[in-house]
Amino acid sequence: KAGVTQTPRYLIKTRGQQVTLSCSPISGHRSVSWYQQTPGQGLQFLFEYFSETQRNKGNFPGRFSGRQFSNSRSEMNVSTLELGDSALYLCASSQMTGLAKNIQYFGAGTRLSVL
Amino acid sequence: GENVEQHPSTLSVQEGDSAVIKCTYSDSASNYFPWYKQELGKRPQLIIDIRSNVGEKKDQRIAVTLNKTAKHFSLHITETQPEDSAVYFCAASKAGGFKTIFGAGTRLFVKA
Repeated sequence: KAGVTQTPRYLIKTRGQQVTLSCSPISGHRSVSWYQQTPGQGLQFLFEYFSETQRNKGNFPGRFSGRQFSNSRSEMNVSTLELGDSALYLCASSQMTGLAKNIQYFGAGTRLSVL
Repeated sequence: GENVEQHPSTLSVQEGDSAVIKCTYSDSASNYFPWYKQELGKRPQLIIDIRSNVGEKKDQRIAVTLNKTAKHFSLHITETQPEDSAVYFCAASKAGGFKTIFGAGTRLFVKA
C-alpha cells in the first residue's frame, strides 16, 4: 500500500498570500488529521476530517481551513499568511480501528516558509 | 482544554544506558496513549502504544507504563543505541474522540 502523500514538499510564500496544501491518505483510510510542527512546540493539532466532515478543530485562527473530498483526499488552506505560519505541516491518516485505537500514519510533510 | 506535557525536552545518554521520558495528560477520559519517533528529516512513526486497561507494555528494548490515577505515562528505552537518537512524542486520545493531542517532544541523543 502506498503511504500518505503530501504535496508540495516545499513552499515559499510572502506575507499576505494564501496557500493550499494537499494530502492523499493511505487507501482505505477515511480519517485525515492535520498538524503544524514547529521547533519547541511539537505537533499542534489543526483539524480532523472523516467522510468529508470536519469533526474536530484545534486552537488555530480562522485563517486555517480545510476540506475533505469524497475520495478521502484532503486539502488545507491558509489565507493571509503571516511570518509565524512558517512551519512543517503534517497530515496523518487513520483507519479508525476498533478497540479505541487511533494510529496516525504521517506523510512526509509540506515545509512552508513565509517571507 | 486537553493538554499533554512532556519532559524532558532534551535528553542525552551514553550508549548502553537507559532513557526515560515522562508525560502527563489532562483529560481523564483519554484511554489510548501512543508514542511516536521522528528521526531527523523523517516523518513521525508509531513505536509503541498502550491502552488504559493495561499498566505496562513491553516490546524488546522499549516499554511504556501508565498510571491512570496520576494521569502519567512514561517511555523507557533500555540499552540505548545511537540509532535511538531521534525526537520522541507522547500522545493521548480517547474513544470516540477524533483528535490526538501530542506532547512537545523530547530530543534524545545517544552518545557512542
